[in-house]
Amino acid sequence: AQSVTQLGSHVSVSEGALVLLRCNYSSSVPPYLFWYVQYPNQGLQLLLKYTTGATLVKGINGFEAEFKKSETSFHLTKPSAHMSDAAEYFCAVSGYSSASKIIFGSGTRLSIRP
Amino acid sequence: EAGVAQSPRYKIIEKRQSVAFWCNPISGHATLYWYQQILGQGPKLLIQFQNNGVVDDSQLPKDRFSAERLKGVDSTLKIQPAKLEDSAVYLCASSLGRTQDQYFGPGTRLLVL
Repeated sequence: AQSVTQLGSHVSVSEGALVLLRCNYSSSVPPYLFWYVQYPNQGLQLLLKYTTGATLVKGINGFEAEFKKSETSFHLTKPSAHMSDAAEYFCAVSGYSSASKIIFGSGTRLSIRP
Repeated sequence: EAGVAQSPRYKIIEKRQSVAFWCNPISGHATLYWYQQILGQGPKLLIQFQNNGVVDDSQLPKDRFSAERLKGVDSTLKIQPAKLEDSAVYLCASSLGRTQDQYFGPGTRLLVL
């Protein structure tokens, strides 16, 4: 069984500050891990994903995430927040087989203060 | 490249009525997904198609929900009869294959009164 826990349903940072969105996962098999972003009234867009190999994954819009197996974490970071980063962010996990479905966390709403 | 199209974008119905949602995936994408996203929660997979066959419908409430993907392209999701707890955003996604990246449509926001 797989699950995802996102710590903090709402995070607020100042423009230019570090963004850190926390995600912990549980998986009985080696996981694939994802971060998606959802802007208001839009569908989800893939920010980045970890499958195998390098544990530091770079995505779009300056975001990156690090897979830490020992901590079962996959936190999302961005060095400097921009107003356009305000959105809902979802962490997700799946297995590596074609039969695995993606399990989403409950989301973290990111607000950016001017 | 055109994205995943969904219609309608918004729907308001009364409980016990029926409703249908339509999805047109990205051209060439063999795998199609329907998700239910309740306010304050992440999307939950309802059903997954590979071409026109069902791969996973384990979380689809089959007493009231049905879905089809005729000819392996467009798909329709139906709810009959609707309940208050069906109020949610219904997202359609597609991918080239079952292990490929999923691309999401804008969703249909359903309100059941």
